[in-house]
Amino acid sequence: DGGITQSPKYLFRKEGQNVTLSCEQNLNHDAMYWYRQDPGQGLRLIYYSQIVNDFQKGDIAEGYSVSREKKESFPLTVTSAQKNPTAFYLCASSINPGQSPFGYTFGSGTRLTVV
Amino acid sequence: QKEVEQDPGPLSVPEGAIVSLNCTYSNSAFQYFMWYRQYSRKGPELLMYTYSSGNKEDGRFTAQVDKSSKYISLFIRDSQPSDSATYLCAMQTGANNLFFGTGTRLTVIP
Repeated sequence: DGGITQSPKYLFRKEGQNVTLSCEQNLNHDAMYWYRQDPGQGLRLIYYSQIVNDFQKGDIAEGYSVSREKKESFPLTVTSAQKNPTAFYLCASSINPGQSPFGYTFGSGTRLTVV
Repeated sequence: QKEVEQDPGPLSVPEGAIVSLNCTYSNSAFQYFMWYRQYSRKGPELLMYTYSSGNKEDGRFTAQVDKSSKYISLFIRDSQPSDSATYLCAMQTGANNLFFGTGTRLTVIP
């Protein structure tokens, strides 16, 4: 079945530590996205990529980094510079919106907790 | 002003009730309107998708778009406990990213 796989489902980070969240899709979608979800704040865009080897900052990119070396993969690194990283992180993909806007397919999310 | 406004609720209704969920928006360039359903600790899943103004029905769900008022609605008929979830509206112009509402948390009480 086609879809988006996020791993791990739960992740614990110590203060000052970098962690990487994995996102893999087999939908042959061009565009991929990372969102952060906090209670009462909805989805906030961290980074997005519409093509391999290219990505753009979203609304809350500070303290995060991404790479897009393969079409299928869009890992997110939460760096020690992100002061409040505890949140639910969602990865999504879509056919490039400029071609046909059919909404996004989401993964099941990774819950990151700072300990 | 946010691009998309959505009442966060929470909303509690008895089983069998008709539920109305709403969003307003400010960008008149939005053309594509979506509703996502998100169960607790899961990713959102696309529920309904409409283009421009009008109604779209899918089983117990009806999505309504009024572009003149910049207002969209999702109606759920004969609500079931399995409908208990957070519902997010989303919209886009077609050339860039989705804009999401904050989500409305719905509980259907048996």
